[in-house]
Amino acid sequence: GAGVSQSPSNKVTEKGKDVELRCDPISGHTALYWYRQSLGQGLEFLIYFQGNSAPDKSGLPSDRFSAERTGGSVSTLTIQRTQQEDSAVYLCASSLAWDQPQHFGDGTRLSIL
Amino acid sequence: AQSVTQLGSHVSVSEGALVLLRCNYSSSVPPYLFWYVQYPNQGLQLLLKYTTGATLVKGINGFEAEFKKSETSFHLTKPSAHMSDAAEYFCAVNLPGAGSYQLTFGKGTKLSVIP
Repeated sequence: GAGVSQSPSNKVTEKGKDVELRCDPISGHTALYWYRQSLGQGLEFLIYFQGNSAPDKSGLPSDRFSAERTGGSVSTLTIQRTQQEDSAVYLCASSLAWDQPQHFGDGTRLSIL
Repeated sequence: AQSVTQLGSHVSVSEGALVLLRCNYSSSVPPYLFWYVQYPNQGLQLLLKYTTGATLVKGINGFEAEFKKSETSFHLTKPSAHMSDAAEYFCAVNLPGAGSYQLTFGKGTKLSVIP
């Protein structure tokens, strides 16, 4: 079956603009996660969804970051008023349940000019 | 809180030589442990995992890892390196129990294979 799909694969935008990143998890996976991968910070957890609820948003770096999940499937990570420090690869992962191995997408490489 | 330390940000081996990538963890309870591999411009692929039971875990592509509680280690090995093994490898940990779904990653080790 299909793996985790993320779009776009690359996004270049100007500082101050809003961006939306999309994640299509593996069908049937109830748990969904967003991570950020940057040179300075490595891989950082951002947010976890169980179904459409986000019981753990502790990794979101500021209130400019938000995420939602609809229909227990697709998730969107939104960054408002982007800053240069937001430049990173944003990875989405999904799993059958919270205690099952996470499967990752190829990521969205975000570059803020 | 848990943490992961990967010794060596860059490891080079000759083709056919032993691969050894080191991972040590810190955790208040016995953790679940994972190794992921990342090829350029791709996401992370699960190589192997340890949850409970046998401490020697075999994964894909000929890799294996051994959980050593006394040493708080989970080193990754492969007897004979192949050119296709060149990639970045991440050790990760999470804690069993309700609410412990975050993966905490090490900084990664980039493996180069010399022909």
